[in-house]
Amino acid sequence: DIQMTQSPSSLSASVGDRVTITCRASQSISNYLNWYQQKPGKAPKLLIFAASYLQSGVPSRFSGSGSGTDFTLTISGLQPEDFATYYCQQTYSTPRTFGQGTKVEIK
Amino acid sequence: QVQLVQSGAEVKKPGASVKVSCEASGYTFTGYYIHWVRQAPGQGLEWMGRINPNSGATDYAQKFQGRVTMTRDTSISTANMELSRLRSDDTAIYFCARGITMAQGVTGFDYWGQGTLVTVSS
Repeated sequence: DIQMTQSPSSLSASVGDRVTITCRASQSISNYLNWYQQKPGKAPKLLIFAASYLQSGVPSRFSGSGSGTDFTLTISGLQPEDFATYYCQQTYSTPRTFGQGTKVEIK
Repeated sequence: QVQLVQSGAEVKKPGASVKVSCEASGYTFTGYYIHWVRQAPGQGLEWMGRINPNSGATDYAQKFQGRVTMTRDTSISTANMELSRLRSDDTAIYFCARGITMAQGVTGFDYWGQGTLVTVSS
C-alpha cells in the first residue's frame, strides 16, 4: 500500500495568513493526488485534484503543486471559513489511501 | 443536482453485521464508481473499497477482505456496504462517495453522502 504522510499534523494561523501543508507519498504517484477539506460533522469536500487543478466552485486562494512523491496545498489569505482539517489522498493505486490530516486552527 | 443519501445511524453488538445504504440521484448511477470511506471518532479517513455500479465488480482494502461486502441495486440507484463480525473498533462514521475521473485521468471523490454513524457496543 502507498503511505501518505502529511505535515504538520496541526497548525495555528490567523486570518489573512498564507498557509502551506505538505504531503509525501511513500512511492511515486505522478500527479494522482487530491486534497479535501473537512469541517466538523460534515463530509469531506474535494478542493484540488490531479495535484494542481482547482475543483469547480473552490476559491482561487487554494492552490496545489507537486508531482512524484512531494506535494503541497497552499491557502493564500486564510479566511474564517477555512479553519478545518485537510487531507491528501492518492488515487494512483488501490487502496486509495489518505494522509492522516492537518488541522488548521485559529491563532 | 447530484445527491447521495445514506441510511440512518445504527447500534450493533460485537459480532453482528451492519448494512449501510447509499441512494444516488441526479446523475446516471451506473456511470460512476461508488467508494466507501470510514472515519473513527476523532480520527482520519480510511478507504474501505469501491463498487462499479455498472458491472457490480468490487475492490476491497486488504484490511476488510472477508468482512466487507459491497453490492448495488441499479433499479433503485442504491449502493450498499455490509460489514460483518463487528468489533468495537468498527465504531465510525461510514461515508459513500462518488468517484469521478477528472483531468489527466486522475480520479477524485466529488460528491459524498452525509455519513452514517455505526456504533458497536455490548
